[in-house]
Amino acid sequence: AQSVTQLDSQVPVFEEAPVELRCNYSSSVSVYLFWYVQYPNQGLQLLLKYLSGSTLVKGINGFEAEFNKSQTSFHLRKPSVHISDTAEYFCAVSKSVGPGGYQKVTFGIGTKLQVIP
Amino acid sequence: GAVVSQHPSWVICKSGTSVKIECRSLDFQATTMFWYRQFPKQSLMLMATSNEGSKATYEQGVEKDKFLINHASLTLSTLTVTSAHPEDSSFYICSASGQNEQFFGPGTRLTVL
Repeated sequence: AQSVTQLDSQVPVFEEAPVELRCNYSSSVSVYLFWYVQYPNQGLQLLLKYLSGSTLVKGINGFEAEFNKSQTSFHLRKPSVHISDTAEYFCAVSKSVGPGGYQKVTFGIGTKLQVIP
Repeated sequence: GAVVSQHPSWVICKSGTSVKIECRSLDFQATTMFWYRQFPKQSLMLMATSNEGSKATYEQGVEKDKFLINHASLTLSTLTVTSAHPEDSSFYICSASGQNEQFFGPGTRLTVL
């Protein structure tokens, strides 16, 4: 079974400061890794994903994440946050299952990023 | 990325009534779709996997007779909450399976009075 741990339920940070949201995963097989953002009363928006290749992944809105296989981590970073980054962030892992090979996704509990003006 | 829509986006109903939520993949065909439930300040929990032309696979603890799922075509899956009660109030999100990822709908907020 696969699992995702987001250690920080809330992260307050001042505007224009850097931020790191932590994510660790466990899985017995190779997985794909994702970060999603959710604004209040809205669905999920994909920030970035790691499927293979370069371990440093760049996403939308200036976010990036680094896949570290030895530490089973996929931490999300942004060098300078904006008020509009205030939202809930979910780390997720997926693996291929079933004869059709569809992706089954497991989510972390989420980290609420609160940007302080 | 691919686009998934949900309808309605917000629904309020009386206790005991049934509510149907539609999930559509707008620009691709999805053999497999998923239904998630999200309670306030919590993560998404997978309810069931919906396979086109066959019965849905429900996660442990999810009542299949209460949450009816139909995936009649490659672009449409429906979730019907039967005899809804206040404890069913939640945010329901669907997704459609792509090659390497799932594409999520915008969600449906269900409030049962």
